[in-house]
Amino acid sequence: AQKVTQAQTEISVVEKEDVTLDCVYETRDTTYYLFWYKQPPSGELVFLIRRNSFDEQNEISGRYSWNFQKSTSSFNFTITASQVVDSAVYFCALSERNTGNQFYFGTGTSLTVIP
Amino acid sequence: DAGVIQSPRHEVTEMGQEVTLRCKPISGHNSLFWYRQTMMRGLELLIYFNNNVPIDDSGMPEDRFSAKMPNASFSTLKIQPSEPRDSAVYFCASSLEGVREETQYFGPGTRLLVL
Repeated sequence: AQKVTQAQTEISVVEKEDVTLDCVYETRDTTYYLFWYKQPPSGELVFLIRRNSFDEQNEISGRYSWNFQKSTSSFNFTITASQVVDSAVYFCALSERNTGNQFYFGTGTSLTVIP
Repeated sequence: DAGVIQSPRHEVTEMGQEVTLRCKPISGHNSLFWYRQTMMRGLELLIYFNNNVPIDDSGMPEDRFSAKMPNASFSTLKIQPSEPRDSAVYFCASSLEGVREETQYFGPGTRLLVL
């Protein structure tokens, strides 16, 4: 069974639009961590955020914000006023305390921001 | 601070040849991970080490693949003999296990093409 589901395979938005990338996870651990990574066209994987299961506060960093809801097992990522440089593949990942440092990655959402 | 370093960045080889990919983790990190990324299968964890010891190699595709970590600052992933289906981007990542961080930081990847 997929532990991390990113149902949106591809999204296209026009520059300056807001866009939300969905991430749904599955775990039985009470202690776990959720991550988002960005993979721009150049190919590297860039860490964006880490959240632990005990902290449901939403996080905002510039135009980026994350909404963590344990009740729906979701950790969604919103980009406000999107820019062309936001075009990338975004991966959500889960790490469970009981399985060591193993990451479970979603299949990624490819975001294209059209100028 | 230097991030995770991988070499070579690109490798083109012929089927049957031996390929060795190299990784230097972030200094002080005690966990190291090898991933493979393809369009068909996404990001797959191949193997991970903790304190230089292989912990889980269940993701290694077959006996043609082997990985070593002779010391805390160096790891290799070897494919012998290589096959065209091994063509992919291979990422190395490191993290600091044992504290609440556990974020994996990725290297730039090695793009392997087996002809």
